[in-house]
Amino acid sequence: EIVLTQSPATLSLSPGERAALSCGASQTIRSNSLAWYQQKPGLAPRLIIYDASSRATGIPDRFSGSGSGTDFTLVISRLEPEDFAVYYCQQYDNSPPYTFGQGTKVEIK
Amino acid sequence: EVQVVESGGDLVQAGGSLRLSCTASGFTFNFYAMSWVRQAPGKGLEWVSTISGSGSGTYYADSVKGRFTISRDNAKKSVFLYMSSLRAEDAAVYYCAKDSLPAAGHFDYWGQGTRVTVSS
Repeated sequence: EIVLTQSPATLSLSPGERAALSCGASQTIRSNSLAWYQQKPGLAPRLIIYDASSRATGIPDRFSGSGSGTDFTLVISRLEPEDFAVYYCQQYDNSPPYTFGQGTKVEIK
Repeated sequence: EVQVVESGGDLVQAGGSLRLSCTASGFTFNFYAMSWVRQAPGKGLEWVSTISGSGSGTYYADSVKGRFTISRDNAKKSVFLYMSSLRAEDAAVYYCAKDSLPAAGHFDYWGQGTRVTVSS
């Protein structure tokens, strides 16, 4: 099973700042099979990025994903008030089992 | 409009069983794998189980293998999760989620979740 480790656990930033979230995998993820989700309190997760760098439908271009192999990054270029949330990475290499990272909370400084 | 709606969450005693249901609409249901993902109180997301579009392929997390069974009824556009031998650590909000593409492995539509509480 691929273990995903996200860092940092918490990111304290101000609106307008750039956020960079990391997701490391315990083994190589083939075909860049990595997604990022945003979750706000009391709500279901929302798909932000899939295949490491493709934005999901309706996601603004301030969100970008990059990386390959075992190291992946989600960047929010300029934080908007609605972007403060918890972000999870998820791998879907080949077939289940799928795994999620433990999450990074982006909070208002 | 795509909709995914879960139901069936309840308070159950440890060792008991429960069946969750998920009804979908707005897409060609039998084309897409469907999954259950859970979230314990204050914790992160945990993938639980996936069933292929045809229902012929089923997959489980080690933590639930042998205790949970996923199934689907394509005619009724529904997915089910039968949970037995429930443990305290199974208490969570259970989300039903649709694959973004057939057999994609990432999820573009999620339900609102249904809460399972396990009492000891």
